[in-house]
Amino acid sequence: AQKITQTQPGMFVQEKEAVTLDCTYDTSDPSYGLFWYKQPSSGEMIFLIYQGSYDQQNATEGRYSLNFQKARKSANLVISASQLGDSAMYFCAMKTGANNLFFGTGTRLTVIP
Amino acid sequence: DAGVIQSPRHEVTEMGQEVTLRCKPISGHNSLFWYRQTMMRGLELLIYFNNNVPIDDSGMPEDRFSAKMPNASFSTLKIQPSEPRDSAVYFCASSLALAEGTDTQYFGPGTRLTVL
Repeated sequence: AQKITQTQPGMFVQEKEAVTLDCTYDTSDPSYGLFWYKQPSSGEMIFLIYQGSYDQQNATEGRYSLNFQKARKSANLVISASQLGDSAMYFCAMKTGANNLFFGTGTRLTVIP
Repeated sequence: DAGVIQSPRHEVTEMGQEVTLRCKPISGHNSLFWYRQTMMRGLELLIYFNNNVPIDDSGMPEDRFSAKMPNASFSTLKIQPSEPRDSAVYFCASSLALAEGTDTQYFGPGTRLTVL
């Protein structure tokens, strides 16, 4: 069975600092994809970054990077140089052979000025 | 390019009424997903279509829920009759499902449903 775990219900970070949001996963499928989505208070789900299980390098997208540690089954999101607009819920998700995504419970990030 | 379009954005209805939620996926995408988000259960997949065909509807709560995709550019999620416990945000998402690839799902803005 697939499982995504986000153990941090809430996180605080000072503006301009970096922050790491944790995500661990469990699957027996050798081929899978890991995703991070951002949900601001306005409610939409915004795709941030993707990591494939066979990708050799960690994914990066602007200020977002994914710290992928396959042996530990972790896919942490790192946000560098936090901005006030980064305050939101962040969801980690996994896709295996089936087409649907399994989501974690989310982490609420608050950026402090 | 237009993203996933959902309508209405907000719906308030009374228990027992029929509710229809609409979705237009991103042009060229061949997979469409309906999700429900609640505080208690988080984000859960209700049903998904591939090339307009329902593939997995195991997440549909019960017979009161039905979904259709008559063509590649339109899908509906219907609840009849609606109940207060159906109150949630309903998201539609679409993706371009390839044999190998990122298969990223892009979400619409959601429909906030309140059943009184």
